[in-house]
Amino acid sequence: DTEVTQTPKHLVMGMTNKKSLKCEQHMGHRAMYWYKQKAKKPPELMFVYSYEKLSINESVPSRFSPECPNSSLLNLHLHALQPEDSALYLCASSQEVAGVRHEQFFGPGTRLTVL
Amino acid sequence: AQTVTQSQPEMSVQEAETVTLSCTYDTSESDYYLFWYKQPPSRQMILVIRQEAYKQQNATENRFSVNFQKAAKSFSLKISDSQLGDAAMYFCAYLYNNNDMRFGAGTRLTVKP
Repeated sequence: DTEVTQTPKHLVMGMTNKKSLKCEQHMGHRAMYWYKQKAKKPPELMFVYSYEKLSINESVPSRFSPECPNSSLLNLHLHALQPEDSALYLCASSQEVAGVRHEQFFGPGTRLTVL
Repeated sequence: AQTVTQSQPEMSVQEAETVTLSCTYDTSESDYYLFWYKQPPSRQMILVIRQEAYKQQNATENRFSVNFQKAAKSFSLKISDSQLGDAAMYFCAYLYNNNDMRFGAGTRLTVKP
């Protein structure tokens, strides 16, 4: 299995809603990532998990809350979002061996619209 | 900080022809990885090709090859025999150790039939 899967594919939510994005991989990768991507722009790193521990938080607002329940799953909990948070949210994973991370494999993304 | 520059926001190629996408990067490290990712309109990022900086030989994957010039910090992607399915946004990316992956701004490739 060489896939990273993400659900849902599309999500529309109001500014008062609480929702979660899910990501799953079964490649045995120990590093997992959340990115935000606006149209025609490169992905922007949000969070990195290494061996289920939060390794990097790129000064992301607290209305985004990541969670890594186990080595295969990564969630992104959303609460009180703003319309400018509308974007494609990408999950990725990579091997990490002896502190060295390798190429990342991306999921198809969740297209989020905040009304 | 490492930066990645793609100076061509848009490129166009005729079907079956060859096109080269440019990428330069800035780093003080000697051992790192470089990648080209493709993102078609369906939006999934797909790894096209990778290059380890310690390897002098240029990486190739079927119709895709790179010209890696370490001293010049240049990493261009050549697509031969272009196909309609090659139309996409192409991102050059740099990775060192356990740091963040750095992406260029992207080049949008159009393939004309």
